[in-house]
Amino acid sequence: DADVTQTPRNRITKTGKRIMLECSQTKGHDRMYWYRQDPGLGLRLIYYSFDVKDINKGEISDGYSVSRQAQAKFSLSLESAIPNQTALYFCATSPAAAGQETQYFGPGTRLLVL
Amino acid sequence: AQTVTQSQPEMSVQEAETVTLSCTYDTSESNYYLFWYKQPPSRQMILVIRQEAYKQQNATENRFSVNFQKAAKSFSLKISDSQLGDTAMYFCAFTLFGNEKLTFGTGTRLTIIP
Repeated sequence: DADVTQTPRNRITKTGKRIMLECSQTKGHDRMYWYRQDPGLGLRLIYYSFDVKDINKGEISDGYSVSRQAQAKFSLSLESAIPNQTALYFCATSPAAAGQETQYFGPGTRLLVL
Repeated sequence: AQTVTQSQPEMSVQEAETVTLSCTYDTSESNYYLFWYKQPPSRQMILVIRQEAYKQQNATENRFSVNFQKAAKSFSLKISDSQLGDTAMYFCAFTLFGNEKLTFGTGTRLTIIP
C-alpha cells in the first residue's frame, strides 16, 4: 500500500552495527506496528504504538527499540545487529476506532546481517 | 494466548479452478476479527478479506470468499476461477477486538498452474 512507506527497502549490515528502519504513513492512522517475518514462522510483532506517547513491546522485542517521532512516523532500531536478526521487517498501521481493526502494511524492508 | 494454524504449507491448482485454503485458530474470546492476507513475490502484504466474529454471514470479495465456522474455530478461504496472479503466500491472521496485534499463521504457498 503506497500510503505506508518503509526505508530502506533492502539493507546489508555487519554484526554489531546500529541501524534504523523507518516507516511513514499518510493514512492518518493513530496505531502503528513493527513485525518481523522469518521463513516458516509467519509474522511476529516486535513493537506497537497506539499514539505518539504510547509504546508497547510485542512478543519479540529483545534487541530492538522504537521511536514514534510523530503520528505519521515510527522507527525501528537495532542497537547492535546480530545475524539472527536477518529477516523481512514490516511496518503496519490501523485506525484507532473500534471496529476498524484492519492493519495495512508497508512494502517491507529486507535486512541481512553479516 | 491466541494461536493460528495453517496445515497446508503448499498447494497448487490449475488456472480457472477453485481452491480452498484452510485455517484454524484457538481463542477463548468471543469478539475478534479474522483476516486473509496475500503476499505475492513482490513481498507486499495485501489484505484479501476480513471477517468479524459476531457476523454469521460469510464475507465475500469478488472471487474470494470465506467459510467461517465459529464453533469449530475454522476460517477457510475459497478462491474461485483462480488466476495466475493469485500465485502467492496466503496468511491467515487473527486479532482481538481492540487490535493490539495480529497473530499470523505460518502461511500456505499457493501456485496457480497455467
